[in-house]
Parts: sequence; C-alpha cells; structure tokens
Amino acid sequence: EVQLLDSGGGLVEPGGSLRLSCAASGFIYSTYAMSWVRQAPGKGLEWVAAISGSGSSTWYADSVKGRFTISTDISKNTVYLQMNSLRGDDTAVYYCAKDAAVVAGVSYFDSWGQGTLVTVSS
Amino acid sequence: EVVMTQFTATLSVSPGERATLSCRASQNINTNLAWYQQKPGQAPRLLIYDASTRVTGTPGRFSGSGSATEFTLTISSLQSEDSAFYYCQQYNYWPPDFGGGTKVEI
Repeated sequence: EVQLLDSGGGLVEPGGSLRLSCAASGFIYSTYAMSWVRQAPGKGLEWVAAISGSGSSTWYADSVKGRFTISTDISKNTVYLQMNSLRGDDTAVYYCAKDAAVVAGVSYFDSWGQGTLVTVSS
Repeated sequence: EVVMTQFTATLSVSPGERATLSCRASQNINTNLAWYQQKPGQAPRLLIYDASTRVTGTPGRFSGSGSATEFTLTISSLQSEDSAFYYCQQYNYWPPDFGGGTKVEI
C-alpha cells in the first residue's frame, strides 16, 4: 500500500523560510515522479512543483519559481520542498502527491499525503 | 497554460438522483483528464483518469466521458457519501492544471 507522510508545516513570518518533507513507502520510489500540490483556505487545488524519480528533472509553477526548490533523497524515499521568501498568498495546505506515470512527464496523481498546513503571517 | 473551467460551483441533488458535473479545457487535451473527489479535511482522492477509466475501488456509479475540450463526470443514483468537492485536472500539457471545483450537496 502506498503511503505518503507529509510534515514540516507551521507558522512563519513573511519573508521567512520553511522546509516540507514527504516520506514515501509502498512503491519503488525512484521510479515515479513526485509533486507538491497546495490548497489555500477555502480554495481549489494548485500544482506547485514536481521532480522526476531520479531527481534529475524539476518543474515549477510560475507562482513559486525562484522561491521554492523541490528535491529528493532516494536513499530515504523522501521528497522535500524548500520554501523561501514566503508571502501571505503561500498560506495553504501542502500535499505531496505521487505521479501515476512511470515515464517522466506531466501526469495525474494517484496517491496523496494527508497534507501539512503552512501559514504565512506576522 | 491550459485553463480548466468547472462552470458549476455548487450542485444540489437529492439522494438517488443523477449528478452531472462538467469540465471544460481552454485547448485540446485529448483524453488526458482526471477527476478527484475531496471531502472536508481530507486529501483529494483519484476517481477517474484518461477521462473515463475508473480507479480500482471507485464505485460503478461514477463514470467519466468526453474528449478534446469537453468532459463530464456523472454520478448516477447519488449516495449521501458522495457529498464532496470534485476537481478535474488536465495532464496533456505542463503545468498540470486543476479546475476550480464543483461542490456536490445532497
């Protein structure tokens, strides 16, 4: 059974930084791309970033490009999201999600973590 | 960027009735469309991919159809546990975009 365990959320001041983690199990981790998807309070879903199974390729939404960095530690089956220069509109529940496709590229998401709340406020 | 539009924000349906949810893409995405269900306080759950393929475990009352720019999720004979938000998502182009969601009220 696929399991994704998100962690690292919390309260941070504008301009601050935070690192989210997502520990994965139940599948061959290095085979699948992983993404982060966020949901602002009362709003819909927004894809944030993705990384290939090998870690060699990354993709970002324009809204976070240059501020967020996605990375992976294959030895720990863990994907990270380093968030810098945080703003109020980054406040959201952040979900890690497993891409369904083995081949690198845009995909849908067949498993999701439980989410971790990031609040950016002074 | 592909804009995904779910025109109906809230759909109120009685138990046992049929619910039809629509999703429109701003350009041709073939059948590269997924549907998710999200209940309050929970993560989204994949229901359908490739526009019409049900995920194992998705009840048979859920069906998807459509191609190119027009897509539909149909819930036949609505059950109380189907009360949720439903999101469509395209995966034909980067970035993978979601629709704004439709809330199904029972």
